[in-house]
Amino acid sequence: GAVVSQHPSWVICKSGTSVKIECRSLDFQATTMFWYRQFPKQSLMLMATSNEGSKATYEQGVEKDKFLINHASLTLSTLTVTSAHPEDSSFYICSATPLADSYEQYFGPGTRLTVT
Amino acid sequence: EDQVTQSPEALRLQEGESSSLNCSYTVSGLRGLFWYRQDPGKGPEFLFTLYSAGEEKEKERLKATLTKKESFLHITAPKPEDSATYLCAVQTHGNFGNEKLTFGTGTRLTIIP
Repeated sequence: GAVVSQHPSWVICKSGTSVKIECRSLDFQATTMFWYRQFPKQSLMLMATSNEGSKATYEQGVEKDKFLINHASLTLSTLTVTSAHPEDSSFYICSATPLADSYEQYFGPGTRLTVT
Repeated sequence: EDQVTQSPEALRLQEGESSSLNCSYTVSGLRGLFWYRQDPGKGPEFLFTLYSAGEEKEKERLKATLTKKESFLHITAPKPEDSATYLCAVQTHGNFGNEKLTFGTGTRLTIIP
């Protein structure tokens, strides 16, 4: 149980285009979903927290107009990187907290974004 | 500000050589301390959650312990498949729906056959 999926697993896009990444909780409903980014050999940095039906809360230094988050249901959150640039190339990982247990956080497999 | 420091940054062990990874933390109100395993190019895999000082949890060759200032991940007789980066994270009390984790930088563990 407690499986989180992400789609796509990797994506290459041209500079200036937008990319959407999906995060789904497959076998549970999620109160909250989180989006992280991870640069090579570095740890996970929280970008934003999203609750279903409300606006996401962004961490300091994260541009909310560049990283659009939509949490449409208790099983789906999306991250859209708008007008992507090479410096946005990174590993993006989502996690989800089950309704039944707000302590736990289960992570997706990650999405590798490369902007050329 | 919540801080999590992991040591060592990297550790190489011979197969069967037991050791411990350290996670020290400074937080205002610990709700839980998490250990994850991360393989290259993949998301973190949940290992343990510890909630109070003195608590211990075990899973196969891994044992996690918690004090008021730090946590240890003990690995006994490791095998090459235990090679991975081990991440420690703390969760602090906040508004419901905002139970975010603060991660340490991880320990890259390599087990040599």
